[in-house]
Amino acid sequence: DAGVTQSPTHLIKTRGQQVTLRCSPKSGHDTVSWYQQALGQGPQFIFQYYEEEERQRGNFPDRFSGHQFPNYSSELNVNALWLGDSALYLCASSPRWGSSYEQYFGPGTRLTVT
Amino acid sequence: AQKVTQAQTEISVVEKEDVTLDCVYETRDTTYYLFWYKQPPSGELVFLIRRNSFDEQNEISGRYSWNFQKSTSSFNFTITASQVVDSAVYFCALSESLTGANSKLTFGKGITLSVRP
Repeated sequence: DAGVTQSPTHLIKTRGQQVTLRCSPKSGHDTVSWYQQALGQGPQFIFQYYEEEERQRGNFPDRFSGHQFPNYSSELNVNALWLGDSALYLCASSPRWGSSYEQYFGPGTRLTVT
Repeated sequence: AQKVTQAQTEISVVEKEDVTLDCVYETRDTTYYLFWYKQPPSGELVFLIRRNSFDEQNEISGRYSWNFQKSTSSFNFTITASQVVDSAVYFCALSESLTGANSKLTFGKGITLSVRP
């Protein structure tokens, strides 16, 4: 049973560029959340998708946007990259939005902005 | 607003010692969920335990146990007979009840645990 997968593993971008990160949820999961983890910090919630709609959003600017596809996979897009966007981006999935199930995390994408 | 505080930043123990990781939380919700996650050097967060706010019974699962006390808003996690493989960063997290436990998680800053042979 495959867990949560993310691609790419590592990415280097230049300030001002745009980036797209991808996530495939664990089999049987329909809810996907994205988190940003700066070095030495705990993950910060970006947003959550269910039924192809953004259901919850954290305190992140509109430069951060997302999408969920009919197969439940998801993308995170970041426009006009800042140096401060350098972080580990984690995707998490869970079954049945609104239930009491925990979230399972992928290995993350390490984004470096130069 | 929700907040999770992990006052300990780094803990170092010798293998086979017991170690307790502290977590204090703040929330206005009456129903909420608490979690512990482990992050090894590979970076992937691994789910360890979950507790809901209306069940204060403390349990043991293998070498893991937890002490949930609503009166002090604490959710401490103990590893018994620590092993080198337990070396990782441990995060305590809180979620509100609005949409269940799989709503957004608020994490603490994490505790780096080093277990020496």
